[in-house]
Amino acid sequence: NAGVTQTPKFQVLKTGQSMTLQCAQDMNHNSMYWYRQDPGMGLRLIYYSASEGTTDKGEVPNGYNVSRLNKREFSLRLESAAPSQTSVYFCASSVGRIAREAFFGQGTRLTVV
Amino acid sequence: AQTVTQSQPEMSVQEAETVTLSCTYDTSENNYYLFWYKQPPSRQMILVIRQEAYKQQNATENRFSVNFQKAAKSFSLKISDSQLGDTAMYFCALNNAGNMLTFGGGTRLMVKP
Repeated sequence: NAGVTQTPKFQVLKTGQSMTLQCAQDMNHNSMYWYRQDPGMGLRLIYYSASEGTTDKGEVPNGYNVSRLNKREFSLRLESAAPSQTSVYFCASSVGRIAREAFFGQGTRLTVV
Repeated sequence: AQTVTQSQPEMSVQEAETVTLSCTYDTSENNYYLFWYKQPPSRQMILVIRQEAYKQQNATENRFSVNFQKAAKSFSLKISDSQLGDTAMYFCALNNAGNMLTFGGGTRLMVKP
């Protein structure tokens, strides 16, 4: 009954450090997404993966890379963290191309100092 | 490109009263889905209600209902008999025939006892 699981829940990085946010879903969903949430701006799409083996840029991809490791897992990597990447990050998944509902993880609060 | 606009950053309502949250959107697609998500202080994203664009009948889920005006590209959420547990951020979201789930900036709703 896990749904979408994100790790870690909290992280503090120094400017220039790298890290990978992990996401896994157990609902056999085809599509997975990474969003960032900043105050007053709602959620903005960073990258998405329509199916295993494919990834596409969203609205705000600069400074990030993703890997769809298999159908279950979709990771987000920050190669050289910047203070502008301080945000709450959400992973989500959905059944397919025309998603009737997206299921979200509990978010990762990332602070870059 | 598709956009979602929530013009009310904050709203408040007395417990047991009714409140309506506004949302307008823009898309060139004819087939799409609209959603309202709730985000309580726990940060979890919870689906409240969804509407398929091809359905003329407004969606209803218990105390939550929508007023979907396709021609006007308007999708408002009505919460009846407001409860303290309804206090949260509410996000309107649009998913068209592709993989982009686009969110509005959110409305912070406070239910007062």
